[in-house]
Amino acid sequence: EAQVTQNPRYLITVTGKKLTVTCSQNMNHEYMSWYRQDPGLGLRQIYYSMNVEVTDKGDVPEGYKVSRKEKRNFPLILESPSPNQTSLYFCASSYYPLGETQYFGPGTRLLVL
Amino acid sequence: DAKTTQPTSMDCAEGRAANLPCNHSTISGNEYVYWYRQIHSQGPQYIIHGLKNNETNEMASLIITEDRKSSTLILPHATLRDTAVYYCIVRVDGSQGNLIFGKGTKLSVKP
Repeated sequence: EAQVTQNPRYLITVTGKKLTVTCSQNMNHEYMSWYRQDPGLGLRQIYYSMNVEVTDKGDVPEGYKVSRKEKRNFPLILESPSPNQTSLYFCASSYYPLGETQYFGPGTRLLVL
Repeated sequence: DAKTTQPTSMDCAEGRAANLPCNHSTISGNEYVYWYRQIHSQGPQYIIHGLKNNETNEMASLIITEDRKSSTLILPHATLRDTAVYYCIVRVDGSQGNLIFGKGTKLSVKP
């Protein structure tokens, strides 16, 4: 089954404690991206990657890092999380150049205390 | 990418057709109309997309006006599971970068 998986699905952490949210896709997609969703602000892109070792900033990259060492994985790293990074995070993937659809993961709900 | 305007919310009776409108009056000739939906806090799900012609798939139909300034997503027989926020997005096919999700239309399907 074609899918994008994210782990963990729920996470409570404290300010400053480094964390990684993993994202994996099994569709051999070139393009992967991370979004965050906040009430009243909609979905905003954090980072995206057009292929292995190729990443670029989205609209709200501050406080986040990503890496793309393998085609299927695109982890999101919060080196020093802060409460304003409390959000619902989605990973997405698609073929590149971007075609008809992006496949989204189930989401990771993060609470930073 | 062109901007879109959608109603904030709509209701639909279960089993009836749900018709969700979208205005995109500044759409350019190479921009496609995409529809996604998001069922409560789940990841957005692709529904359908089109350029000029009407499109139909197993989920929905997309009707695009001749001048391409507006479109309608039709769910032919809405079920309770179709309750979701529906996003209309216009973008150039093949372009890099993100999908710009607006506020969408909250569709409530009622028994």
